[in-house]
Amino acid sequence: QSALTQPASVSGSPGQSITISCTGTSSDVGNYNLVSWYQQHPGKAPKLMIYEGSKRPSGVSNRFSGSKSGNTASLTISGLQTDDESDYYCCSYARGSKLVFGGGTKLTVL
Amino acid sequence: EVQLLESGGGLVQPGGSLRLSCAASGFTFFTYAMTWVRQAPGKGLEWLSVISNSGASTYYEDSVKGRFTISRDNSKNTLYLQINSLRAEDTAVYYCARGVMVSTWDAFDIWGQGTMVTVSS
Repeated sequence: QSALTQPASVSGSPGQSITISCTGTSSDVGNYNLVSWYQQHPGKAPKLMIYEGSKRPSGVSNRFSGSKSGNTASLTISGLQTDDESDYYCCSYARGSKLVFGGGTKLTVL
Repeated sequence: EVQLLESGGGLVQPGGSLRLSCAASGFTFFTYAMTWVRQAPGKGLEWLSVISNSGASTYYEDSVKGRFTISRDNSKNTLYLQINSLRAEDTAVYYCARGVMVSTWDAFDIWGQGTMVTVSS
C-alpha cells in the first residue's frame, strides 16, 4: 500500500484560509468515505481533527473542515491562527481493512 | 480521564525482539478497536496494525506482516505489539491509539504519548 500524496508544505497568513490536499487511489480514498486528518505538533502525539471525511470530534474548532472529490481528499482551515502551525497528516481506510497515511504537510502561519 | 500509556521501548540490538504494551484507562477498553502507529525520527506517521475490540480480527501493513504481532488482553485493559527480528529501520516512536467509535477503526481519537524503540548495535 503506497502512502497517500500530500504537499510537503503550505503557508498562509493569520485570518486566511488554506487547503491541504491528499491524493490516493480507487483502493483507498476513492473507494471509501473514511478519510481522517491529524494535527501533530513537534514532539507530541497526533490529534484527530476530522474523521469520516468531514466529521469533527468534540472540541475541534469548526474552522477545520474536510471534503473529498474522487481520489482526493482535502482539509481546509479557515481563519488561520498562529497555533494552527503544525504538521498535518491524512489517513484513509483501504482495501483489506488496512489504513494508509499521507506523507504529511507542514503548515506555516506567516 | 481517558488515557493510553505505552511502555516497553528501549535500545535493542538488530535481530532482537521487543514487546510493547499500551495500558488503557478511563473507558470500556473491550468495546474499542485499537491500533499501533509508528514515526521514525524526522519522518511521517506509518500505520502498522489494528485489532478488533474482541481480538478476533487483526490486520497488518504488508511490510511488517510476519514480524509484528498485535494482541490484547481485555481483562487487563492492555494492548500489545510483539516485534521480532528488529532492524535499524524499525527505530521509531511507537504510538497506540483507540478507534474513534465503538468497534470501528477508520480513525483514532485517543493516542498514547509514545514509546521510543531504538535498534542499534
